[in-house]
Amino acid sequence: AQSVTQLGSHVSVSEGALVLLRCNYSSSVPPYLFWYVQYPNQGLQLLLKYTSAATLVKGINGFEAEFKKSETSFHLTKPSAHMRDAAEYFCAVSDGTGNDMRFGAGTRLTVKP
Amino acid sequence: DSGVTQTPKHLITATGQRVTLRCSPRSGDLSVYWYQQSLDQGLQFLIQYYNGEERAKGNILERFSAQQFPDLHSELNLSSLELGDSALYFCASSVGAGETGNTIYFGEGSWLTVV
Repeated sequence: AQSVTQLGSHVSVSEGALVLLRCNYSSSVPPYLFWYVQYPNQGLQLLLKYTSAATLVKGINGFEAEFKKSETSFHLTKPSAHMRDAAEYFCAVSDGTGNDMRFGAGTRLTVKP
Repeated sequence: DSGVTQTPKHLITATGQRVTLRCSPRSGDLSVYWYQQSLDQGLQFLIQYYNGEERAKGNILERFSAQQFPDLHSELNLSSLELGDSALYFCASSVGAGETGNTIYFGEGSWLTVV
């Protein structure tokens, strides 16, 4: 079964600094990978997804993620953090066989002024 | 707004009681998923329905059950509630059953507090 591991339950950056949220996956078949964001008291919103078309995936709000098969990683980055980026971020994997999507434990991003 | 509608948004009930959470998927979506989010367990997949039939099952307790109706809305029934069932329950939907990595769209959740 597929799974994801998010390294770091909390990440704190200063406004304007680089954001790097780490995600490693495990899957026996080529995976579909997703990043979702959850703002306080809201549901999860899709940031971006990888479906094997291109290894560098650009998402909303200036985020992007790079699929690295050799490292089984799908880290999320943003060049310059903004206060509004403070939220919980979830990495997720689907094996594309119709089974459930598996989510990581989440990483809470704090942005300091 | 994801297009997935969940009711009620908040619910407080006593231990031992039964509640029903309701979900209307996005227009055109055939799959409905239920997730439970709690502080200690994180986001846990419970169950998926596709076009009225159970498609995948996750960590759903026997006290919990779900169904998807012909109009594609879904209900999650939670019975013999315990304090530990207090959580945010999300419904999500997607067009397909997941074979092509369909994007899953989440509702805003139903907060359940068991006292």
